[in-house]
Amino acid sequence: DQQVKQNSPSLSVQEGRISILNCDYTNSMFDYFLWYKKYPAEGPTFLISISSIKDKNEDGRFTVFLNKSAKHLSLHIVPSQPGDSAVYFCAATVDSGGYQKVTFGTGTKLQVIP
Amino acid sequence: EAGVAQSPRYKIIEKRQSVAFWCNPISGHATLYWYQQILGQGPKLLIQFQNNGVVDDSQLPKDRFSAERLKGVDSTLKIQPAKLEDSAVYLCASSLGVGGGSTDTQYFGPGTRLTVL
Repeated sequence: DQQVKQNSPSLSVQEGRISILNCDYTNSMFDYFLWYKKYPAEGPTFLISISSIKDKNEDGRFTVFLNKSAKHLSLHIVPSQPGDSAVYFCAATVDSGGYQKVTFGTGTKLQVIP
Repeated sequence: EAGVAQSPRYKIIEKRQSVAFWCNPISGHATLYWYQQILGQGPKLLIQFQNNGVVDDSQLPKDRFSAERLKGVDSTLKIQPAKLEDSAVYLCASSLGVGGGSTDTQYFGPGTRLTVL
């Protein structure tokens, strides 16, 4: 039962253009959503997050949008840079009685072409 | 601030052998996680500790996997005996808080790549 889905395994974008990475979820009880970036041979690093009570959060070139009715979130990167080439994971957390249970998506590999 | 340390970085073993991984989280972080990431998939939580107690091990194959967190700091994950399907990257992460929200941002180590032949 994959509760967090990233349906696009890969995405190629030209440098300077917008990258849009999508994530869908099925559990309406998720209360916090996060995006992580992963370079080869490294662990994932936190990028940006959003609470379920918000619909947008922005941090520099990165913006996350949350559409609760559609159970969909997206990460926008503007403008895209070659250094953004990595695998991006979305994750969602739910209160499980004293601790936050986290579920990761399968990842989208972004390639930014110079 | 030092990050999450893991060792070894790479391990190759034969099936039915045993293997152990070590993790040292960021100092002061209450929560420690072990994940299994199979190629092409997202990280799958195996076990989550809060201080030195287990809060979630629902996806840990307990017939072969075991984990402990010593004195609420370092942790070891063991596989005995290993199977071919255990080939994966094993990630350790830690987070400051236990209550959710931004305090649960996880900081990951570089991972241990396990190959079972």
